[in-house]
Amino acid sequence: GENVEQHPSTLSVQEGDSAVIKCTYSDSASNYFPWYKQELGKGPQLIIDIRSNVGEKKDQRIAVTLNKTAKHFSLHITETQPEDSAVYFCAAPMAAGNKLTFGGGTRVLVKP
Amino acid sequence: GAGVSQTPSNKVTEKGKYVELRCDPISGHTALYWYRQSLGQGPEFLIYFQGTGAADDSGLPNDRFFAVRPEGSVSTLKIQRTERGDSAMYLCASSLQRVRSGNEQFFGPGTRLTVL
Repeated sequence: GENVEQHPSTLSVQEGDSAVIKCTYSDSASNYFPWYKQELGKGPQLIIDIRSNVGEKKDQRIAVTLNKTAKHFSLHITETQPEDSAVYFCAAPMAAGNKLTFGGGTRVLVKP
Repeated sequence: GAGVSQTPSNKVTEKGKYVELRCDPISGHTALYWYRQSLGQGPEFLIYFQGTGAADDSGLPNDRFFAVRPEGSVSTLKIQRTERGDSAMYLCASSLQRVRSGNEQFFGPGTRLTVL
């Protein structure tokens, strides 16, 4: 089945700086890669996703890049703000196609 | 429109008791998923419904866990003879179609289950 590795597990940045989280996946047939943000006591919220037919996607301060050859994808947050503090998860579909395998999460702390 | 809702938000029970957790998916979403999330970890897949049928229940840990979706909308996750190790956040998600086709999966707020 799919295996998703996520790094780093924690990330502390100064407000205004950029944050980058990286994930690798094992199933070369995976074609959809979402990123979720989870705040304390809440369910994961989809913030951006990318499909395998593009290499990069941007939505305001958030961008995701995909390298299918290397089987890795990254989340980039620019001009970080305190409200960006949360746990972020990457995910990829398992080989059977009907469920997501999640990375271990990255706890991001933006210091004012 | 309304997102995925889950009830109760918190459930405390005693070891050996039976519990039911409810999920209301986004209207019109045919695919429904249950995940379990332990503290400090990512969600782990339990079961997937396409319509009324459980298309994939390979993530259920044992036969104490069961889920139904009788009318293709609301789903109930049932846990018999609860154990302390069942304590976790139980998350429900729905999508328009199966996620492999690139359909976004939207999560509910979860039910925090604590087994004493």
